[in-house]
Amino acid sequence: GAVVSQHPSRVICKSGTSVKIECRSLDFQATTMFWYRQFPKKSLMLMATSNEGSKATYEQGVEKDKFLINHASLTLSTLTVTSAHPEDSSFYICSASQGLENTGELFFGEGSRLTVL
Amino acid sequence: DAKTTQPPSMDCAEGRAANLPCNHSTISGNEYVYWYRQIHSQGPQYIIHGLKNNETNEMASLIITEDRKSSTLILPHATLRDTAVYYCIVRVVGFQKLVFGTGTRLLVSP
Repeated sequence: GAVVSQHPSRVICKSGTSVKIECRSLDFQATTMFWYRQFPKKSLMLMATSNEGSKATYEQGVEKDKFLINHASLTLSTLTVTSAHPEDSSFYICSASQGLENTGELFFGEGSRLTVL
Repeated sequence: DAKTTQPPSMDCAEGRAANLPCNHSTISGNEYVYWYRQIHSQGPQYIIHGLKNNETNEMASLIITEDRKSSTLILPHATLRDTAVYYCIVRVVGFQKLVFGTGTRLLVSP
């Protein structure tokens, strides 16, 4: 199957700093990417949908100024957690779609674990 | 998207078949049934999907009832590496995002 890569896989930062997480589709062009976050022992929660070249669409309750999403190319989307605080500590996962109108599967990255001290 | 209901946890002995049920009684005619799994601290992995016919691939089989209100994922010979949380998701054709429920935590034991 297609490969989606995230970087970094783990990051620790101080409270108040910003952290950028990259999501790359390695062998296909992803017209749409999705960002999820997951707390321990909980399910994945969809944060936002990003389409290449346009603004991201955020799910209800997700602060768009806190979680900046950029999808500048067909193979790269970035999530920036701005002014991070300990409550932002979580497992962040991206997924990518080839934009098929049919039943195409979504491919997921390995996840990025953010710890804010 | 229609909601799904899955048992929170199941156990299976290594080498035996694991049958994971899912109820999706409000599924619409244009919604597919998808199964993903998530091994601890990894991203979800696609397993299989189907519309109304039973499907089989190298990982699993998907059995969908005739009225499409429920389905069963079958891992024919479970191994320890199949221990994971299994998510059953219904998704509208052409609607790309996946909304995850709580899933079933499958524990495969020796």
